[in-house]
Amino acid sequence: AQSVTQPDIHITVSEGASLELRCNYSYGATPYLFWYVQSPGQGLQLLLKYFSGDTLVQGIKGFEAEFKRSQSSFNLRKPSVHWSDAAEYFCAVGTSNDYKLSFGAGTTVTVRA
Amino acid sequence: ETGVTQTPRHLVMGMTNKKSLKCEQHLGHNAMYWYKQSAKKPLELMFVYSLEERVENNSVPSRFSPECPNSSHLFLHLHTLQPEDSALYLCASSQGGTGYEQYFGPGTRLTVT
Repeated sequence: AQSVTQPDIHITVSEGASLELRCNYSYGATPYLFWYVQSPGQGLQLLLKYFSGDTLVQGIKGFEAEFKRSQSSFNLRKPSVHWSDAAEYFCAVGTSNDYKLSFGAGTTVTVRA
Repeated sequence: ETGVTQTPRHLVMGMTNKKSLKCEQHLGHNAMYWYKQSAKKPLELMFVYSLEERVENNSVPSRFSPECPNSSHLFLHLHTLQPEDSALYLCASSQGGTGYEQYFGPGTRLTVT
């Protein structure tokens, strides 16, 4: 079975600074990888996804993520954060075998002025 | 309406009540999901329906009863719940199942008293 680890529970970053959120997955074959964002009181919004091909994927809101098979990682980055990026971020892994998405526990991002 | 909608957004119920959560997707998808999101825990997949047939039941207690009358609607019928069932219940849909990104509704915040 697949699993996801997000090592950072909470990250605080200054507005305008860069942001990197870590995600490590466990799965024997090529995974399908996703990053979602959840603002308070809202559902999850898809930021970006990796299925195959170019290992650097671009998403919405200026986010990008890089798939590194050797490190089983799919880290999310943004060069310059805005106050509106304060939210909870979830990494998820899916497979070609079933309908399940396995989610990490999430990383809460706080943006200070 | 666009995307995935859920009603009600907030629900308070006693342990002896019976209530239902409703989800509707306007995306033309053919798979729908119920998730439970509790504080400090990863999202828990509860049920998956594909083409109106249940394909996943993740060991959910029988006090939760799903219903999928057509590909656009999904219900979660609740009865004799426990306080530990208080959580955010999220509905999602996807085009196809394995490997496809899921689109989430805003959730129903359930409080069991």
